[in-house]
This record gives sequence, structure tokens and C-alpha cells, in this order.
Amino acid sequence: AQKVTQAQTEISVVEKEDVTLDCVYETRDTTYYLFWYKQPPSGELVFLIRRNSFDEQNEISGRYSWNFQKSTSSFNFTITASQVVDSAVYFCALSELQGGSEKLVFGKGTKLTVNP
Amino acid sequence: DSGVTQTPKHLITATGQRVTLRCSPRSGDLSVYWYQQSLDQGLQFLIQYYNGEERAKGNILERFSAQQFPDLHSELNLSSLELGDSALYFCASSVAYRNNEQFFGPGTRLTVL
Repeated sequence: AQKVTQAQTEISVVEKEDVTLDCVYETRDTTYYLFWYKQPPSGELVFLIRRNSFDEQNEISGRYSWNFQKSTSSFNFTITASQVVDSAVYFCALSELQGGSEKLVFGKGTKLTVNP
Repeated sequence: DSGVTQTPKHLITATGQRVTLRCSPRSGDLSVYWYQQSLDQGLQFLIQYYNGEERAKGNILERFSAQQFPDLHSELNLSSLELGDSALYFCASSVAYRNNEQFFGPGTRLTVL
């Protein structure tokens, strides 16, 4: 069965520091998708990125960047020059095919606190 | 704002009761997913509907049921509630039943006393 491991339970940094959130996954599917979601203190889940298993190019979006390495089954997320507003729980997720449909398997999340 | 709406935002009820959570997907989305977020289990997939039909089932208890109506809104029914059912229940929607981003609603926080 699919599994997503976010080994870092909590991370605390000072504003403007760079921070990397780790995500390691297990799957037997040859085609799959990886996701990152942000859950701020208000509770909603905000979609950040979806990456196809065939696309190993790194992606950058403003201060956010993602490093996908199929060889190590990792999909790490880096925030550059962190800000207090980045404080949230971040979830990595993996798509799992079930009967032709798809569901998301989430990691336990990493709580990021950015201090001023 | 993801475009997915959920009502109510908060729900407080007693053990043994039954509640209904409602979800309206984004305009144009045919697929609705329900997830449960609890402290001990984390975020877990419960069930998925696509255009009115059940497509996938996860760790959903027999006391729980869901349906998707012709207007595509969905309801999650929780009955014989137990203390352990206290959680944040999310609804998500996507255009199709696979290979799409899932956009999440704000969630319904259920507290069972």
C-alpha cells in the first residue's frame, strides 16, 4: 500500500531563514502524482503543487521550490526567505489508484513555525 | 477561497446522535471526496463520488454514509456518534475522478460530547 512519510514533526525557524520540508513516499504504481498542501492555523487545506511521476524537473514558484527525486522516492519542499505567514502545517500526499479512481494518501504533516 | 463550500463550519453534538455534513463542489467539478482529519489518525480518505455514483471507498465506518445528489452537492451522514468521531471533516472536489488536483473546502469541525 502507498505510504507517505514526513519525518519532521515540527520545525521552528527565524524569519528569512530557508527551510526544507522532507517527504518520502512508497508506491508500487508506475504512474502517480505527488502533492503538497498547506494548512494554516485557520484550518483550511490549501493546494500548493501537483507533480506527475514522469516529470522530475524541479519547480519554483516565488519563494517555494520543490525537488522531486524518483531515485530516492523523495519530494522535498523548500521555502526560501521564510516569513511569519508561512507558519502552518504542511502535508505531502501521494495519489493512490483504487478501482480506476484516485484518492490521496497523506503524510502526518510537518508543523512549521516561523518566528519574527 | 477554493470554491468548495461546506456547512456547517462547526457542529457540537452528543454521543449516539446523527449529523449530516454538506458539501458543494466547485462549479464544473463532478467528483467529490470526503476526508477525516483527527489527531491520532491524521488525514484519511473516506469516500469518493463521481457524478452521483460511488467511485472509491476508504476507511469509512459502517455508521457513516454519503451520497451525491443530481445537483452534485454531497452529504456525509454520521450516525451513532462516538467520542472518537470528533474530527475535522473535509470535502474536496475535482473535475474528474483521477489525474486532477483536489481542491478542499474549509472543513466542518465536529465535536462529540
